[in-house]
Formats: sequence, C-alpha cells, structure tokens
Amino acid sequence: QKEVEQNSGPLSVPEGAIASLNCTYSDRGSQSFFWYRQYSGKSPELIMSIYSNGDKEDGRFTAQLNKASQYVSLLIRDSQPSDSATYLCALSSGTYKYIFGTGTRLKVLA
Amino acid sequence: DTGVSQDPRHKITKRGQNVTFRCDPISEHNRLYWYRQTLGQGPEFLTYFQNEAQLEKSRLLSDRFSAERPKGSFSTLEIQRTEQGDSAMYLCASSERTGEGQFFGPGTRLTVL
Repeated sequence: QKEVEQNSGPLSVPEGAIASLNCTYSDRGSQSFFWYRQYSGKSPELIMSIYSNGDKEDGRFTAQLNKASQYVSLLIRDSQPSDSATYLCALSSGTYKYIFGTGTRLKVLA
Repeated sequence: DTGVSQDPRHKITKRGQNVTFRCDPISEHNRLYWYRQTLGQGPEFLTYFQNEAQLEKSRLLSDRFSAERPKGSFSTLEIQRTEQGDSAMYLCASSERTGEGQFFGPGTRLTVL
C-alpha cells in the first residue's frame, strides 16, 4: 500500500462546477496535511494546510480532513480553466519527512 | 522577491560529468529540503537541513550525491559522474518549522545525455 494515494485522473469538470479531489494515507501518525498545485513544467505551489479534523476554507478552496478514516480532500468551488493543473496531496508526521502523492490531474472545461 | 530561488533553471550535461545546483531559501526559513521529481510522480525526498546541519539523507541517494549548506544560508546539491537516470527536476523547498507547509523554488531541470 502506498503511503499517500491519489487517483491520477484526469478529473474533468465544467467551468463553474465544484471539483472534488481526494487523498488517502496509511500512516495514522500523520499530523499535518497539505495540498499543492502544480502546473505543467512548474514547481509545486502550496495552496492549503490542514492540521485538525474538519473543514478549512480559504477563498474558493476547502480542505477536509478525517483522521479516523485517513483521508483528506480538497474542494474547489466555481472552478476556472486556470485551475487546470495537477494537485498533489502531501503529509508530515511532524518531523522533516514529507510524503507526497503522485497527484491528480484536474481539467476544467470552458 | 523573497521566495525560494534556484540556479540554474536548466542544465544539460553529458553522462559522467559533475553538476552542481544552488538553492537560496526564504531568508527566515532555517529548514531546507531537496527533492527530485520525475514525470508523473510526486516529489521524492533527497535530503534535509536544519540550519547548517544535514540531518537526514534518503537511502535512495547514492554516494554520487552530496549536499551542503554552509553557514545555514544557501545550499548546494552536487551530482558526480552523472547517469541518464539522474535526469529529473531537482526541487528545493524551505519551511520555517518542521511539519509546516513547504515553499518550493522553481526547480532545476537536469538532462543527462
């Protein structure tokens, strides 16, 4: 079992819709969870951090964490074509070690 | 710009040559990380510095790879006797504290011919 699992996609959503990206993880000791956006040929960009169970909202983005079920999700409301990118889920157990998933490719159709 | 910077952005080299990359982290961040990323994969951890101390190095990293962070400021990653399998994007990231979100530089894309 991979430490961080994401569906590679592509996930296609129409412009204006809600995009839902999911991530599951295996290490119950994980404490910090992150979502990064990565455009093709570019480096990852941190968009959300979440540390406790529940929802965290930042603009059009909402991160959801459920430690009991070991999943973290990212919702993007009012999706725009500029949101088309690969979204990487990452986690940390509180040490230097960060584990990244392979990413989900999102395509927002105009 | 106070973000993470990396130099060079692109490097093409012949197999067997040595290459060195530089990373300048965000100034107030004393945690610095090096990652390698290949197509379709997430960033893969290479090594970690807290200030000038290299606290961890991936077991996947061969002896051909070495990293330094003199005086706890910028860092360099050197690859000796490059192989075609070393072709990848090399990413540097920094954070203020462990367990917090990391900020990545633009990366150095290495192509080994």
